[in-house]
Amino acid sequence: KNEVEQSPQNLTAQEGEFITINCSYSVGISALHWLQQHPGGGIVSLFMLSSGKKKHGRLIATINIQEKHSSLHITASHPRDSAVYICAVRGGEYGNKLVFGAGTILRVKS
Amino acid sequence: DAGVTQSPTHLIKTRGQQVTLRCSPKSGHDTVSWYQQALGQGPQFIFQYYEEEERQRGNFPDRFSGHQFPNYSSELNVNALLLGDSALYLCASLRTGGYGYTFGSGTRLTVV
Repeated sequence: KNEVEQSPQNLTAQEGEFITINCSYSVGISALHWLQQHPGGGIVSLFMLSSGKKKHGRLIATINIQEKHSSLHITASHPRDSAVYICAVRGGEYGNKLVFGAGTILRVKS
Repeated sequence: DAGVTQSPTHLIKTRGQQVTLRCSPKSGHDTVSWYQQALGQGPQFIFQYYEEEERQRGNFPDRFSGHQFPNYSSELNVNALLLGDSALYLCASLRTGGYGYTFGSGTRLTVV
């Protein structure tokens, strides 16, 4: 069992749909990161959360520390949102290293 | 302000050879981490360097070694390459006490 579980593994949506990607982890952490990876490999940091909720444009990220769960929402999805979305945690017994989920492959069709 | 720079972007090596990958961290960042990402999987932590010392290490064999220089740049060395070492190698930098990692675009290593 992975230390960081993401669901779904693959997601296909129609342009304009509301999208939710989930992330669960098993130990206490100090921060959770949502990352975006496009074909070719480069990773872009979307959010870093230690509590509550953050919003940037059409992206919203929430975290529930007690339940060890986070969600990434995309409102009014667009084909340019197609990418791999990865959840990663750090802190606690992990120290400074990031422990990654396997990623969610998102495809938004026009 | 340059982000994290990795070189080379791609390379092909033969089994048994040795390879060195390089990373220049974001300006102001002093901690460098290396990750291996196999196709279709999330990145796996290799090791982290701070103050020119390896501070944390993941579950990788001794064939994987690294170095950090006084200017905070870092190298990842892999000896006796195996086909299974084919992957995207990512470098991420962090400012001590900060929370935000900055990632490089990675080096795609193919071992044939």
